Amino acid sequence: GAVVSQHPSRVICKSGTSVKIECRSLDFQATTMFWYRQFPKQSLMLMATSNEGSKATYEQGVEKDKFLINHASLTLSTLTVTSAHPEDSSFYICSAPDRVGNQPQHFGDGTRLSIL
Amino acid sequence: QQQVKQSPQSLIVQKGGISIINCAYENTAFDYFPWYQQFPGKGPALLIAIRPDVSEKKEGRFTISFNKSAKQFSLHIMDSQPGDSATYFCAAHVHPNDYKLSFGAGTTVTVRA
Repeated sequence: GAVVSQHPSRVICKSGTSVKIECRSLDFQATTMFWYRQFPKQSLMLMATSNEGSKATYEQGVEKDKFLINHASLTLSTLTVTSAHPEDSSFYICSAPDRVGNQPQHFGDGTRLSIL
Repeated sequence: QQQVKQSPQSLIVQKGGISIINCAYENTAFDYFPWYQQFPGKGPALLIAIRPDVSEKKEGRFTISFNKSAKQFSLHIMDSQPGDSATYFCAAHVHPNDYKLSFGAGTTVTVRA
């Protein structure tokens, strides 16, 4: 079945570092991808909608200059956490719907980001 | 404001028992209601989903019951197994072509052997 691959699965880095997370749809094209943030024992919080070939749409309260999203191809979206600080530590998850196959969203396995 | 309200927050069930998780929504534009299962350190995986034109859908040990007039839906896990221990999220689509999900708060299910 359709698979969404997320890389890396875990990142530990120093405060002030910028971190890039990749989300790939492996066997289908995704014109739209979604980025979520999840804190421990909480639900998924939608951060932004990534649109292939155009600007991402950010949810209210999400800093677009902090969380840069690029969706340069039909199978790849990237989230860059710029100048990361400890409060940015979280579990980041991407998802993509298979529109052609009319399938619901497929989720990646998430990236655990730890900022020291 | 959470558009989908989920309860309970957590539940413990004996092996072989039935786990029941309830969700309620307000937005009548929702037309797709999936349930996701999430294990620690992993992304959510689609478990089962229903559209509002049916009142029940069953897949193996998992059943969704849907009450359109009450704007409620629930997940029943029959013959619960230790491997079912996970966090379950109900969700809903705002629009059929939008694919933008509204998630419930999640229910942590623990199945004791």
